[in-house]
Amino acid sequence: GESVGLHLPTLSVQEGDNSIINCAYSNSASDYFIWYKQESGKGPQFIIDIRSNMDKRQGQRVTVLLNKTVKHLSLQIAATQPGDSAVYFCAEREGKLIFGQGTELSVKP
Amino acid sequence: DTEVTQTPKHLVMGMTNKKSLKCEQHMGHRAMYWYKQKAKKPPELMFVYSYEKLSINESVPSRFSPECPNSSLLNLHLHALQPEDSALYLCASSRETSGSYEQYFGPGTRLTVT
Repeated sequence: GESVGLHLPTLSVQEGDNSIINCAYSNSASDYFIWYKQESGKGPQFIIDIRSNMDKRQGQRVTVLLNKTVKHLSLQIAATQPGDSAVYFCAEREGKLIFGQGTELSVKP
Repeated sequence: DTEVTQTPKHLVMGMTNKKSLKCEQHMGHRAMYWYKQKAKKPPELMFVYSYEKLSINESVPSRFSPECPNSSLLNLHLHALQPEDSALYLCASSRETSGSYEQYFGPGTRLTVT
């Protein structure tokens, strides 16, 4: 028979390159956004957050950009490493935290 | 200590069994959460406790029964589950439910219902 699977969007990058993971959010009233990293068999791990009164926030090797006009969030990872391979979820808070569908990042050595 | 712990790590149960999932945090957080996550999907919120009181129930079937015995502990009691309830069950905590506070997640309990 035929099987139908649902696949996560996948981003494949070379080790050392920069990665950009994008996320569209739904509610213009959302006031807080978080990026999580989830490795296989583990719970989501907090990476970086940003409040709606900011456009950009930087952490160690990561930058989050927020464009409220088009309701778009991005996560930039500099000098991507094999250990960055995981599923990345954005989450917006409109009262409760709502997760996006996720992007699977695969880093080629 | 920024750790949320969950036990057991794996659980296999029959549809007539009764079991409980446990979650613990010692960060002084007053908000605790249960999420359900299916493979290749984002976590879905089930319950929110704020100051040990249930504040959100996302229309979860009554075969899932949460309990918050104190500010550090959160349980999820399971009874008469269905095979489609098989999933990763994640616990999380945050300082408060309001305000810009990140949620810290535990490693999850992988539940299989046979």
